[in-house]
Amino acid sequence: GAVVSQHPSWVICKSGTSVKIECRSLDFQATTMFWYRQFPKQSLMLMATSNEGSKATYEQGVEKDKFLINHASLTLSTLTVTSAHPEDSSFYICSAQRGGSYNEQFFGPGTRLTVL
Amino acid sequence: GNSVTQMEGPVTLSEEAFLTINCTYTATGYPSLFWYVQYPGEGLQLLLKATKADDKGSNKGFEATYRKETTSFHLEKGSVQVSDSAVYFCALITRGSQGNLIFGKGTKLSVKP
Repeated sequence: GAVVSQHPSWVICKSGTSVKIECRSLDFQATTMFWYRQFPKQSLMLMATSNEGSKATYEQGVEKDKFLINHASLTLSTLTVTSAHPEDSSFYICSAQRGGSYNEQFFGPGTRLTVL
Repeated sequence: GNSVTQMEGPVTLSEEAFLTINCTYTATGYPSLFWYVQYPGEGLQLLLKATKADDKGSNKGFEATYRKETTSFHLEKGSVQVSDSAVYFCALITRGSQGNLIFGKGTKLSVKP
């Protein structure tokens, strides 16, 4: 099956620092990757859609200068939370899509970010 | 706008009980509908899907039927097992999108032996 990994699985950082989260498709090439944020007992909220070699498309209300997304290759997308603050603490999940828009998305296990 | 509403959890059942998790949606056009499952400590996995009205998705004993007239996609299983304990998410993709999934809030299921 298709496997998506995320690294790190959890991270604790100080307020004001930047944190980078990696999302990799291990055994397939992903034309599109998605980044979601999940609050406790709430749904996954789409933050941005990332296509290889082009700028990410951000959802309304998501600050693109704060959440930097780079989709450098067909197997790697990164999310950098810049100048993190406690309110950025959350569970971040990526997914990778193989092929067209109705093809299945494969999800990573998520990254728990805690900002002190 | 497009949205998914699913029943609040947690749901606690005894092994071999019948399971229903309700899901209704609001969407323009004819979306594709999905159920995802998230086992403890793991990423979301596609459980089943349906792409048009009256389609029935099924997998691992779970079923859901795409009901256009009631805009619903309820998840059912006739006899749950302890290993089915997980969080279940109903989701949709609308045509013309890039494949952006819109999720419900998730329903946590606990099955007791």
